[in-house]
Amino acid sequence: AQSVTQLDSQVPVFEEAPVELRCNYSSSVSVYLFWYVQYPNQGLQLLLKYLSGSTLVESINGFEAEFNKSQTSFHLRKPSVHISDTAEYFCAVSVMGDDKIIFGKGTRLHILP
Amino acid sequence: KAGVTQTPRYLIKTRGQQVTLSCSPISGHRSVSWYQQTPGQGLQFLFEYFSETQRNKGNFPGRFSGRQFSNSRSEMNVSTLELGDSALYLCASSPGQRIDEQFFGPGTRLTVL
Repeated sequence: AQSVTQLDSQVPVFEEAPVELRCNYSSSVSVYLFWYVQYPNQGLQLLLKYLSGSTLVESINGFEAEFNKSQTSFHLRKPSVHISDTAEYFCAVSVMGDDKIIFGKGTRLHILP
Repeated sequence: KAGVTQTPRYLIKTRGQQVTLSCSPISGHRSVSWYQQTPGQGLQFLFEYFSETQRNKGNFPGRFSGRQFSNSRSEMNVSTLELGDSALYLCASSPGQRIDEQFFGPGTRLTVL
């Protein structure tokens, strides 16, 4: 069965500094990978996804993630964070052809002024 | 288009009671999935309905049940509530069978006393 590990439960970072949120998955078959963001008191929003093709995927607000099959990772990065990026970020995996998504436990991103 | 709506947003119940939560998907979406979110376990998949049929089920006891109506609206029911059922219950809808297009509602926060 597939699983997702987010190694850091919380990540503090200064405003305008770069950040990386780590995500590793385990699966013996091909997968789809996702990053979702949850702002306080809201539901989840899809940030970006990897389905196939280019291993580097980008979101409209400056985040990017790279699918690394050999390391089974899908780390999320942003070169310069803003206070509005304060949220919880969830990595998720779905096996191709399956209809459910398995989520990691989330990483809370704290932006320090 | 209106987003996914969930009612009620907040609910307080006592142990042993039952509860019904409602989810209205985005217009035209035929798939509805339910998730339980808790600080300790993170996001866990409950079940998924497509065209009134349950297609997938997570690893939850039989006290958790759901259904989907012909207009794609979905309800989930939890009987004989336990303290551990306190959680944020999230509903997500998608147009069809593709798991990469899920849109989440704001959730229903259930507190069991």
